[in-house]
Order: sequence, then structure tokens, then C-alpha cells
Amino acid sequence: DGGITQSPKYLFRKEGQNVTLSCEQNLNHDAMYWYRQDPGQGLRLIYYSQIVNDFQKGDIAEGYSVSREKKESFPLTVTSAQKNPTAFYLCASSTPPQGRRNGYTFGSGTRLTVV
Amino acid sequence: AQSVTQLDSHVSVSEGTPVLLRCNYSSSYSPSLFWYVQHPNKGLQLLLKYTSAATLVKGINGFEAEFKKSETSFHLTKPSAHMSDAAEYFCVVSDRGPSGGGADGLTFGKGTHLIIQP
Repeated sequence: DGGITQSPKYLFRKEGQNVTLSCEQNLNHDAMYWYRQDPGQGLRLIYYSQIVNDFQKGDIAEGYSVSREKKESFPLTVTSAQKNPTAFYLCASSTPPQGRRNGYTFGSGTRLTVV
Repeated sequence: AQSVTQLDSHVSVSEGTPVLLRCNYSSSYSPSLFWYVQHPNKGLQLLLKYTSAATLVKGINGFEAEFKKSETSFHLTKPSAHMSDAAEYFCVVSDRGPSGGGADGLTFGKGTHLIIQP
């Protein structure tokens, strides 16, 4: 079945470390997105990519980096510059412009905790 | 520009009673509207969508929503709540105008936490 796979499901990071969250999709979608979710704040867009080797900052990109070397993959790196990285991270995908009518497909998320 | 407001951060109902989750939107173009559900530590699952066809939209698990242009609302309802409905619900808008929130420009509400009392 087609879908989005996020790994790992739970991740622990020490202060000062960089960590990378994986997101892979086999839906043949062109666009991919990373969101951060905190209690009571809904979803906030970190980065998105519409095409391979291209990506744009979202609303809260500081302290994060991404790459899009393959259509299927859109990994997110949480760097040591991110002051408060503990959160639930969601990856999504769509095929523009159909996504505006069909919505996004979401992965099951990664919960990152700083220890 | 587009925006969406979920009027209640928390809603509590008894099992077997009706559910109403309220959503108002703002859009410069003809909108598409969605409701997603999120169970704890899970991703978001599409419940239903409105894309300019019938104004009363039926979704999964007995949920439905009605698009009311005059009231700029898209409230989610269910006649009888079940314990398994306890989750976070997100109202989402896309006005199909120039992209604002990403490649497909979807804007998410802050969510309503639905609590089901036994």
C-alpha cells in the first residue's frame, strides 16, 4: 500500500547534538512538508519542498535543515541551534495543485525528546 | 489570504450524545475545506472534505460537515459519540489561490480536543 513512513517513532537527543528524522513516501507525490506540533499550538510549517533539489522555509525554519535529493525522501535535521526541539514532528506529502482539493497525506510522526 | 478558526480548544460530551466541533474560515477564493482527526501519537487522518460539490459532506466513522458560505462556517457533527472518537480534530482550508502555507497552501486550525465521557 502507498503511504508515508516516518522513522524512528521515538527519538531522544542530548543537548548539543544534531539528529535527523526520516520521511519516505511511495505515493509519487511531488511536494513534501515538515510540521512541528506542540500542545495547543496546532501544526506549524518548518520546511516544504515542491521538487527534487529545491525547498523553502516555512514559518519556523530556524534551527532546522532539510534536503531533497530524491523524490521519495525528505529528511529533517534538528540542529543544536534549535533551542527547544522537544515536540512531535509530522511529515506530509501532496501533488500540487491537486493537494488543494485532496488534502495532504500524513506520516505517523516522530516524537523527539531532549534529555 | 486564508485563515481558519476553531472556536473551541476542548469539547467534552457524553458517550451516545451528539458531537459539534465548530470551524470558521476566511478565504479570498472559493475554498476547499477539510477535517482531519489525530489520535494520540499518531499522524493526521482525513475525515472528510468539501470541494464545491454538495454542501453537506459525509465522512468516515459517521461524521459529517456542512459548508455554509453565508456564515463562513464548516462545522463537524456526529449524531452519537463513541469512546473511540476521543481525539484531536483539525479544520483545514485551502483557497486555491496563490500558495501561502506551502506548495498546496493548506492552512490548519489549532485543533479541538474531543473528550468523551462514559
